[in-house]
Amino acid sequence: DAGVTQSPTHLIKTRGQHVTLRCSPISGHKSVSWYQQVLGQGPQFIFQYYEKEERGRGNFPDRFSARQFPNYSSELNVNALLLGDSALYLCASSLSDRDIQYFGAGTRLSVL
Amino acid sequence: KNEVEQSPQNLTAQEGEFITINCSYSVGISALHWLQQHPGGGIVSLFMLSSGKKKHGRLIATINIQEKHSSLHITASHPRDSAVYICAVYNYGQNFVFGPGTRLSVLP
Repeated sequence: DAGVTQSPTHLIKTRGQHVTLRCSPISGHKSVSWYQQVLGQGPQFIFQYYEKEERGRGNFPDRFSARQFPNYSSELNVNALLLGDSALYLCASSLSDRDIQYFGAGTRLSVL
Repeated sequence: KNEVEQSPQNLTAQEGEFITINCSYSVGISALHWLQQHPGGGIVSLFMLSSGKKKHGRLIATINIQEKHSSLHITASHPRDSAVYICAVYNYGQNFVFGPGTRLSVLP
């Protein structure tokens, strides 16, 4: 059975551009969470979605948005990219918003 | 003061040693996760705890809700256990807060 899959694995963008990152949860999981991990630091929570509704939001600017689709996959969108947005973006899925989370391998975003 | 703290920050052990990593938190939680992150970024969920103790193979995790403290133990440590171990707390409807991580190196 496939784990959490994220695409793309690597991405290079320039300042001011926007980016869309994608996540497919483990089959049967209805909750998806997004995290940002800047090099050398621990992950920071961005969003959690459950049953297509936002259940939690971290301390990130409005340039960050996300959504969850009827098949429970999710997209993370970041507008007006800044150099500081360069990070590993991790997606995790869980059965519900209260269950153990399983992480994907992440998308490494570089903003030049 | 960070909401989630871990100790030690760095730990070097010899293969076979018993290892303990501690996590203390200052907020009310509904669950606590222990995560393992290998070089290159991959994160593996080890445990989710809301009370008591869980065991999986050589790993044991305990939590004391009253004392707001959790421990991760590794018995008979092995070089493949070398990774960063992260404690993360979750309060339903609020943020998922991560500790700073403990970098473990197990030497052969």
